[in-house]
Amino acid sequence: GAVVSQHPSWVICKSGTSVKIECRSLDFQATTMFWYRQFPKQSLMLMATSNEGSKATYEQGVEKDKFLINHASLTLSTLTVTSAHPEDSSFYICSARPGDYEQYFGPGTRLTVT
Amino acid sequence: AQSVAQPEDQVNVAEGNPLTVKCTYSVSGNPYLFWYVQYPNRGLQFLLKYITGDNLVKGSYGFEAEFNKSQTSFHLKKPSALVSDSALYFCAVRGGFNDYKLSFGAGTTVTVRA
Repeated sequence: GAVVSQHPSWVICKSGTSVKIECRSLDFQATTMFWYRQFPKQSLMLMATSNEGSKATYEQGVEKDKFLINHASLTLSTLTVTSAHPEDSSFYICSARPGDYEQYFGPGTRLTVT
Repeated sequence: AQSVAQPEDQVNVAEGNPLTVKCTYSVSGNPYLFWYVQYPNRGLQFLLKYITGDNLVKGSYGFEAEFNKSQTSFHLKKPSALVSDSALYFCAVRGGFNDYKLSFGAGTTVTVRA
């Protein structure tokens, strides 16, 4: 139980284009989902907290107009990287909270912007 | 503000030997503490958590962790390491029931040699 999926697992896009990453909780409903960014051999940096039916809460320094988050249902949240640039290349990981305690993480999406 | 410190970037042990990965935390309220493991190009897998109760917490794959309030530590341990335990380990903390955000340590790379 408590499986979180992400799609795609790997994407390459050209600079200036937008790319959408999906995060789904497969066997539970998640009121809250989280989006993280991870640079090589570094820790996870929380980008935003996504609550179903409401606007996402972004962490300080994260551009909300660049990283659009939509939490349309209790099992789906999407992250859209708009006008991507090479510096946006990273590993993006989502997590979902089924209850009060632990978060369950997706497998991650490797974004490469050329 | 809450934070986690993992003082060792790398831990190397021989297979069959005990494994310890250190973690100390700082939080204003009662800490909720977690350990996650990450394999290359994968998301995080939940190992164990401390919320309340016994200071010794047992988790997945034979791992356990001991909560020490006076030393503000939550070290991860395994009595007999396996080569397959080689991975990146993250300690994380959240500051109580109403704070769902996780703060992660920098991570410790564990290498178990055969």
